[in-house]
Amino acid sequence: AQRVTQPEKLLSVFKGAPVELKCNYSYSGSPELFWYVQYSRQRLQLLLRHISRESIKGFTADLNKGETSFHLKKPFAQEEDSAMYYCALAGNTDKLIFGTGTRLQVFP
Amino acid sequence: EPEVTQTPSHQVTQMGQEVILRCVPISNHLYFYWYRQILGQKVEFLVSFYNNEISEKSEIFDDQFSVERPDGSNFTLKIRSTKLEDSAMYFCAGGVMRTEAFFGQGTRLTVV
Repeated sequence: AQRVTQPEKLLSVFKGAPVELKCNYSYSGSPELFWYVQYSRQRLQLLLRHISRESIKGFTADLNKGETSFHLKKPFAQEEDSAMYYCALAGNTDKLIFGTGTRLQVFP
Repeated sequence: EPEVTQTPSHQVTQMGQEVILRCVPISNHLYFYWYRQILGQKVEFLVSFYNNEISEKSEIFDDQFSVERPDGSNFTLKIRSTKLEDSAMYFCAGGVMRTEAFFGQGTRLTVV
């Protein structure tokens, strides 16, 4: 079965602290992994996808097939990073399987 | 920058009534999707639409649900006879490539 697990509902850090949002997945084939972000009262936005291997707004994520993880990291959190973050997986079809999301709070 | 647009932003309907949720994807999108999010739960896939037909649907997408893209621009989700458990945020998404999904701002459906 395809599944995405985000174990933390809430992650609170102070500005300037490192951030790691955890994501584990279950899929028997080669998945595509994504991170979406939803700022307050805004739409879901694609933050990054593993195949592009780029850094967006200072965030990076590496696909670890051995650990079936795709954790999102940022070395120095900013207040404007406060948002809901969703990890998502696409298998051999078009649909995205989402995790339950992690709310990141960055305090000044 | 063009965006996927959904209307209405909030719809309140009585149980048993039909509702139509509307979406205007970006003009070059080829893949279209509906997702929903019940309050406090995860975003769930409902249906994908490509080449003017449904390409995949979830177990949630039963006979009460249907999608249409009648005029090549609007993409609609119809719920024939709403139930209380259909109350959720409904998101439309579109993309140029498979698995690419640009989301609309959502329609909050409240069934009373």
